[in-house]
Amino acid sequence: DQQVKQNSPSLSVQEGRISILNCDYTNSMFDYFLWYKKYPAEGPTFLISISSIKDKNEDGRFTVFLNKSAKHLSLHIVPSQPGDSAVYFCAASEYGGSQGNLIFGKGTKLSVKP
Amino acid sequence: DTEVTQTPKHLVMGMTNKKSLKCEQHMGHRAMYWYKQKAKKPPELMFVYSYEKLSINESVPSRFSPECPNSSLLNLHLHALQPEDSALYLCASSQVGGGRSYEQYFGPGTRLTVT
Repeated sequence: DQQVKQNSPSLSVQEGRISILNCDYTNSMFDYFLWYKKYPAEGPTFLISISSIKDKNEDGRFTVFLNKSAKHLSLHIVPSQPGDSAVYFCAASEYGGSQGNLIFGKGTKLSVKP
Repeated sequence: DTEVTQTPKHLVMGMTNKKSLKCEQHMGHRAMYWYKQKAKKPPELMFVYSYEKLSINESVPSRFSPECPNSSLLNLHLHALQPEDSALYLCASSQVGGGRSYEQYFGPGTRLTVT
């Protein structure tokens, strides 16, 4: 049973517009959430994270929103750039869980068109 | 320095070969990880080392043997692999304990092909 779900396998956005990537989770014990970006044939790059005690975290063009009651988080990229085209993975970790036990979603492939 | 390096970048090996994957980080992290990633799938955790001690082995077959010689280095020894073991093998590192311990930093991976 998937505990972290990214229901959109792909997303296409025009350059300069907003990209919104969504992630849902089922485990209410998750208390830390992360977004990673991955280019083909490279390792995932850590982008931004959010603790469950917050509902928003911002870093430059990237903002993550967390809605605990809905068990939903989203990553907003504004403005989107062609270099943002990559696969984005949502990941979650459980408080008190084993060191390093990140649960990943299946990823959403973002294409930003010039 | 926020880099995790992995060698080799690509590896092709036969089912009877013995080879090793190497990973190095100089971020002062005391937790290091091996993941396996198949195409269009998320990374799957294989092993976790915390303070150079193996803390998690996610039921990985014994043909994969991890080793952590010191706090900066992590090896994965491979022997008698199967073609289905072909994948991208990723190394990652993080702090231990505290909020930032969740933030893992990944290397570029080794693309392994077993023939």
